[in-house]
Amino acid sequence: GIQVEQSPPDLILQEGANSTLRCNFSDSVNNLQWFHQNPWGQLINLFYIPSGTKQNGRLSATTVATERYSLLYISSSQTTDSGVYFCAVRATGFQKLVFGTGTRLLVSP
Amino acid sequence: ETGVTQSPTHLIKTRGQQVTLRCSSQSGHNTVSWYQQALGQGPQFIFQYYREEENGRGNFPPRFSGLQFPNYSSELNVNALELDDSALYLCASTDYGRGTYEQYFGPGTRLTVT
Repeated sequence: GIQVEQSPPDLILQEGANSTLRCNFSDSVNNLQWFHQNPWGQLINLFYIPSGTKQNGRLSATTVATERYSLLYISSSQTTDSGVYFCAVRATGFQKLVFGTGTRLLVSP
Repeated sequence: ETGVTQSPTHLIKTRGQQVTLRCSSQSGHNTVSWYQQALGQGPQFIFQYYREEENGRGNFPPRFSGLQFPNYSSELNVNALELDDSALYLCASTDYGRGTYEQYFGPGTRLTVT
């Protein structure tokens, strides 16, 4: 099945810093989503981005489907950005989302 | 908030017991998927229901079963609970006919098996 790898596994930032999270996947996909999981377990939709670039406030994402990777950019990080960021993909012909192992982000004041 | 609701929030069961978890999909969504998230890991796909029929299943044993109702809400049933079933169970809904398949997740049910 499709493999999804995220890097880095852990990231510690000072408030105000910028960061880039990466997601590599092993096969063609027709759905790619980025989620932020808060400390209570809620998965919050950040982007639906099977290809191209999107921006939402301090967050932006780019997916290069032909090269099988996606990037999530966080600018001017805040303590509320802390949590785990997951990339999830749906391979062509399948129903399920396959999640990466996540990037655990800690933003300190 | 996504509009996907789950109940109960927390649950403690004993090994060997049975449990039923519930999910109400977001308004207008006809497809519900269930995921299991063990501590420190990403969610793993259990199965998906579309128009009251299972149309995809992950690598979970038959003691994990489900239902979808005409209003598109869903249940996840787990029989003969094992200690390893302790996890966060997440429900996600999507509108299968829109072509995007963006999934929206509920807050989850945290199950502890002792």
